[in-house]
Amino acid sequence: DVKVTQSSRYLVKRTGEKVFLECVQDMDHENMFWYRQDPGLGLRLIYFSYDVKMKEKGDIPEGYSVSREKKERFSLILESASTNQTSMYLCASSLRGWPPNYYEQFFGPGTRLTVL
Amino acid sequence: AQTVTQSQPEMSVQEAETVTLSCTYDTSENNYYLFWYKQPPSRQMILVIRQEAYKQQNATENRFSVNFQKAAKSFSLKISDSQLGDTAMYFCAFMKHVEETSGSRLTFGEGTQLTVNP
Repeated sequence: DVKVTQSSRYLVKRTGEKVFLECVQDMDHENMFWYRQDPGLGLRLIYFSYDVKMKEKGDIPEGYSVSREKKERFSLILESASTNQTSMYLCASSLRGWPPNYYEQFFGPGTRLTVL
Repeated sequence: AQTVTQSQPEMSVQEAETVTLSCTYDTSENNYYLFWYKQPPSRQMILVIRQEAYKQQNATENRFSVNFQKAAKSFSLKISDSQLGDTAMYFCAFMKHVEETSGSRLTFGEGTQLTVNP
């Protein structure tokens, strides 16, 4: 069964802390993604990775970095957390290539991050 | 850049009735894919239905069907015989066709919160 897991469901951090959000998938997917979800804004792509050690910026990368040392794990890092990074963070993964059926993204349950 | 717009932040429907969620998008691409994702209150997002732009026939998955109007750049979702378990946030999403060497990224709309009432 397809599975994407995230390290925490809820996380509370203080301004200025370094925050790590972990995502693991067990489907041998090449692509992995980090989104943030905010009311009225939908999901916005922060970063994605299409292979180990490869990463590309999404639409809102400022204040974030990522790490992908292993195929199954994709980490989102907030170097110095700020209150405007309070949000729901969703991780997703997908196979890469043809046919289009492979383009479905599978999502984790999300991490609700609060920065005080 | 692509944009996706869902103009209905909230909708409600009575159980067993039919409801249509709207989605419009803007793109200069000719080859792309469109998706509807569902996020129930438990928060795990799941794929409901997908449509390839090169296919003229509208996609159908059991009680879920789409009305894809390529010229109008419209992609609505129809839910027939609504059930209480259909209560969720629904997101419309766009993906352009990419080569295998790069990633396939989704652009999401703002979402529509659907409530099915007993």
